[in-house]
Amino acid sequence: GQNIDQPTEMTATEGAIVQINCTYQTSGFNGLFWYQQHAGEAPTFLSYNVLDGLEEKGRFSSFLSRSKGYSYLLLKELQMKDSASYLCASMDSNYQLIWGAGTKLIIKP
Amino acid sequence: DGGITQSPKYLFRKEGQNVTLSCEQNLNHDAMYWYRQDPGQGLRLIYYSQIVNDFQKGDIAEGYSVSREKKESFPLTVTSAQKNPTAFYLCASSAGQEYNEQFFGPGTRLTVL
Repeated sequence: GQNIDQPTEMTATEGAIVQINCTYQTSGFNGLFWYQQHAGEAPTFLSYNVLDGLEEKGRFSSFLSRSKGYSYLLLKELQMKDSASYLCASMDSNYQLIWGAGTKLIIKP
Repeated sequence: DGGITQSPKYLFRKEGQNVTLSCEQNLNHDAMYWYRQDPGQGLRLIYYSQIVNDFQKGDIAEGYSVSREKKESFPLTVTSAQKNPTAFYLCASSAGQEYNEQFFGPGTRLTVL
């Protein structure tokens, strides 16, 4: 079956670094997406990885290992506004997104 | 400004009534999607459409219906056959199939009383 696993909740301190992990098992693979979703709002796109390695985009970076079925999202210099849910989604062989349940990130001052 | 609009933001309906959720996009995207989001679960695909006048069932299509008469519009009807319709409904669109960055509307929170 198809499955995306990510932690339910994480807590971090303002100014620190946090890594949110995601493991995936999908029928075929056409890339891994990360989205941010504030409570009651729409998800917004953060990153897309299809090749192994690290993609850096400002304070946010995303890593992919296709052989391990593993990705992580790295957030640096955490700000209070980064408190949100972070959704991992894998694109399967039919180009459909399979979504994880999301990781709720709580930032403390 | 290009984007996706959904209306209304909040919707209340009595049990047994059909209700239609609106989704409009002006991004000139070919593909459109409807998802349902429940607490503690990932987004689940209800229906999707890759082109006008064509659509396919997603993982949880039972009790829902859609139409795609115009490229810009993809309304979702929640019928009385849907056993547990109270949820947050998200509409999304993407330029095409292969690079599938999806842009989301603000969502409609449906509560069935």
